[in-house]
Amino acid sequence: ETGVTQTPRHLVMGMTNKKSLKCEQHLGHNAMYWYKQSAKKPLELMFVYNFKEQTENNSVPSRFSPECPNSSHLFLHLHTLQPEDSALYLCASSPLGSGTQETQYFGPGTRLLVL
Amino acid sequence: SQQGEEDPQALSIQEGENATMNCSYKTSINNLQWYRQNSGRGLVHLILIRSNEREKHSGRLRVTLDTSKKSSSLLITASRAADTASYFCATDADSGAGSYQLTFGKGTKLSVIP
Repeated sequence: ETGVTQTPRHLVMGMTNKKSLKCEQHLGHNAMYWYKQSAKKPLELMFVYNFKEQTENNSVPSRFSPECPNSSHLFLHLHTLQPEDSALYLCASSPLGSGTQETQYFGPGTRLLVL
Repeated sequence: SQQGEEDPQALSIQEGENATMNCSYKTSINNLQWYRQNSGRGLVHLILIRSNEREKHSGRLRVTLDTSKKSSSLLITASRAADTASYFCATDADSGAGSYQLTFGKGTKLSVIP
């Protein structure tokens, strides 16, 4: 266990549904990240939060909406997704914030299938 | 653009053999990290090597870094079936405003046959 948990672990949703992914880190870290991992593609960084403030948004479509209510919790709200959004969504955290080059600790991921 | 790229894409070896995976990158880095991912799970950090280091060891892992060739290698000695996983290198890049992003390659899928 890395100290980063994600729920749900699996999610199937229709294109008109609204759902949320949750990430929680028990490590006291200051930075949290959302990544998307699709088959046969490199891991793609989606969002970065430093001290609860969003510092990176890598041109992610607006149908993905992140929320970071405190430094331990990170959500990814999903609405009107497309089948190509089906992927493994990984949450990660790092100790000091993304202003330093440091190790990231990953959760187990949420496997999302959009029908 | 993709920063790190692993080679080979897939590697199959017998238990007890050594496994070597390579990573090439394009721009200058501050450090390079290797991560491991079991099928459908999150990534687990293995080792970090800084740009001023040439070699680093951790248990059965040995990582080398050649900044002149912009390449790194990960050697797993005396492999075990439990080493079966995908291995990724990740390089840091300054995304501006004092923020660093890790850029991952597509990974090497290692299969260790008992």
